[in-house]
Amino acid sequence: DQQVKQNSPSLSVQEGRISILNCDYTNSMFDYFLWYKKYPAEGPTFLISISSIKDKNEDGRFTVFLNKSAKHLSLHIVPSQPGDSAVYFCAASAGTYKYIFGTGTRLKVLA
Amino acid sequence: EAGVTQFPSHSVIEKGQTVTLRCDPISGHDNLYWYRRVMGKEIKFLLHFVKESKQDESGMPNNRFLAERTGGTYSTLKVQPAELEDSGVYFCASSRGLAETQYFGPGTRLLVL
Repeated sequence: DQQVKQNSPSLSVQEGRISILNCDYTNSMFDYFLWYKKYPAEGPTFLISISSIKDKNEDGRFTVFLNKSAKHLSLHIVPSQPGDSAVYFCAASAGTYKYIFGTGTRLKVLA
Repeated sequence: EAGVTQFPSHSVIEKGQTVTLRCDPISGHDNLYWYRRVMGKEIKFLLHFVKESKQDESGMPNNRFLAERTGGTYSTLKVQPAELEDSGVYFCASSRGLAETQYFGPGTRLLVL
């Protein structure tokens, strides 16, 4: 049973617009959430994280929102750039080092 | 600072053969993790080392998989004998502290025919 779900396998966005990637989780014990970006033939690259004591974390063009009551988090990229085209993985952990990943969402930013 | 490196980048072997994957973590990172992604699915945890000690190998699929980290530096993951379902991308990650962000290597793409 998948504890972290990314229900959109792919997303296309026009350059300059906002990209919103979503992630749902089922385990209420998760207390730390991360987003990784992955280019083809490369490993996942850490992007941004959020602790369960917060509901928002921002880093430049990237913002992660956490809604604990809905067990939902989202990654906003504003403005989107062609270089953002990649697969984005949502991950969560429950006070441990063991990250539970989603299946990824492929983002394509159109120039 | 050099990142996590993995060798080989690709490996194609026949069912029943043995393959050994290697991971060199970021210098100074005591924590080393192995993950696997099969057939475009989620990335799944395999095991975790702190220095040379296995802390958690709950994600290892079965006893055909053996991981070692002698000396607490690089790690190897051996699959013997390999089966078709072992095909996938094997990622290694490392972190300085237990609660710190994990940094991933480029992965080894294993194809078992």
